[in-house]
Amino acid sequence: EPEVTQTPSHQVTQMGQEVILRCVPISNHLYFYWYRQILGQKVEFLVSFYNNEISEKSEIFDDQFSVERPDGSNFTLKIRSTKLEDSAMYFCASSGFLGQGSDGYTFGSGTRLTVV
Amino acid sequence: AQRVTQPEKLLSVFKGAPVELKCNYSYSGSPELFWYVQYSRQRLQLLLRHISRESIKGFTADLNKGETSFHLKKPFAQEEDSAMYYCALSERDTGRRALTFGSGTRLQVQP
Repeated sequence: EPEVTQTPSHQVTQMGQEVILRCVPISNHLYFYWYRQILGQKVEFLVSFYNNEISEKSEIFDDQFSVERPDGSNFTLKIRSTKLEDSAMYFCASSGFLGQGSDGYTFGSGTRLTVV
Repeated sequence: AQRVTQPEKLLSVFKGAPVELKCNYSYSGSPELFWYVQYSRQRLQLLLRHISRESIKGFTADLNKGETSFHLKKPFAQEEDSAMYYCALSERDTGRRALTFGSGTRLQVQP
């Protein structure tokens, strides 16, 4: 069964540093997403990406965040200057269908980001 | 704004007992509801979508628009059902794809 792959599984970074989280979505999927889950809290939507541009973003996704699909396979989330409160599990997901309504996503196994 | 509420953080049952994981939502439009499951150290996996009306691993969920609920049920719990369960909503009428998640319920099935 196709999988969404995320690397690294765990990243520790110093406050103020830039970090890039990487994802390889399922190859024939069209929509790509980032979610995060702070320890003990809900899974929260960050951003969705379609046709090489952001299609939706949440209030959390401010100017310190950016996404990119630099080639045909990778989908990255960059946090420009990390803060302690950015520590969380970051999930990448992809989905396939075009049109109205959401289909079920396929999630990656997550990257645990720890900002120290 | 939409909201998903899962009132129970932990639900513990014995093997063979019925299970009901509660999910209530708040959304003024037409929602699409999902259940996702996360087994220990594994990724979030789609369990059910309300529009498919199917039964997966013996679980079913019916959308009740009057009560704004989408409870997950299984008549006889198995130990392998132990996991974290998340209810999620998307805005079917607007076509937005972002999912709003509940806080999750941990199901423990004891032998």
